[in-house]
Amino acid sequence: GIQVEQSPPDLILQEGANSTLRCNFSDSVNNLQWFHQNPWGQLINLFYIPSGTKQNGRLSATTVATERYSLLYISSSQTTDSGVYFCACRSSGDKLTFGTGTRLAVRP
Amino acid sequence: KAGVTQTPRYLIKTRGQQVTLSCSPISGHRSVSWYQQTPGQGLQFLFEYFSETQRNKGNFPGRFSGRQFSNSRSEMNVSTLELGDSALYLCASSLASVSGRGEDTQYFGPGTRLTVL
Repeated sequence: GIQVEQSPPDLILQEGANSTLRCNFSDSVNNLQWFHQNPWGQLINLFYIPSGTKQNGRLSATTVATERYSLLYISSSQTTDSGVYFCACRSSGDKLTFGTGTRLAVRP
Repeated sequence: KAGVTQTPRYLIKTRGQQVTLSCSPISGHRSVSWYQQTPGQGLQFLFEYFSETQRNKGNFPGRFSGRQFSNSRSEMNVSTLELGDSALYLCASSLASVSGRGEDTQYFGPGTRLTVL
């Protein structure tokens, strides 16, 4: 099945800083999603982005499908952005596979 | 629209017992998937159901089973519980199509936290 790698594994930011999270995947995908898992375990959809670029407020994401990677950008980070960010990918007919996540801590 | 709901939210069982978890998808969603999350193994896929048929299955022992009803609600069952089954069990639903193509955004429920003593 598809392999999904995320980097960095851990990230500590000062409030107001910007960051870039990366997701590499090993095969062509028809589904790629970014999630934020809050401290209570809820996985919150950020983007559905198997290709192209999307923006939602301070967050944006870009997937370059031909090069098999996706980037999540967080600008002007806030303490509420803390948590774990997951990238999940799916090839046609296969299951959704999650990366190991990036744990983000934003300090005030 | 109401989101994905899971019951119960918390559960404590002892080794050897069995457990049934329930998931109600977003109205109109026909696909339901289950995942297990543990600190050591991360998020692992259990199974996916579409219109009452299992469409995909992860690498879990036969003690883990599931089903989907005609109203798209799903249950998963774990028999003969082991300590290692302690985990957060997450359910997701999507507007998956019969062909499996097209946008397939997964929406997750809050999870059931299972503790096996």
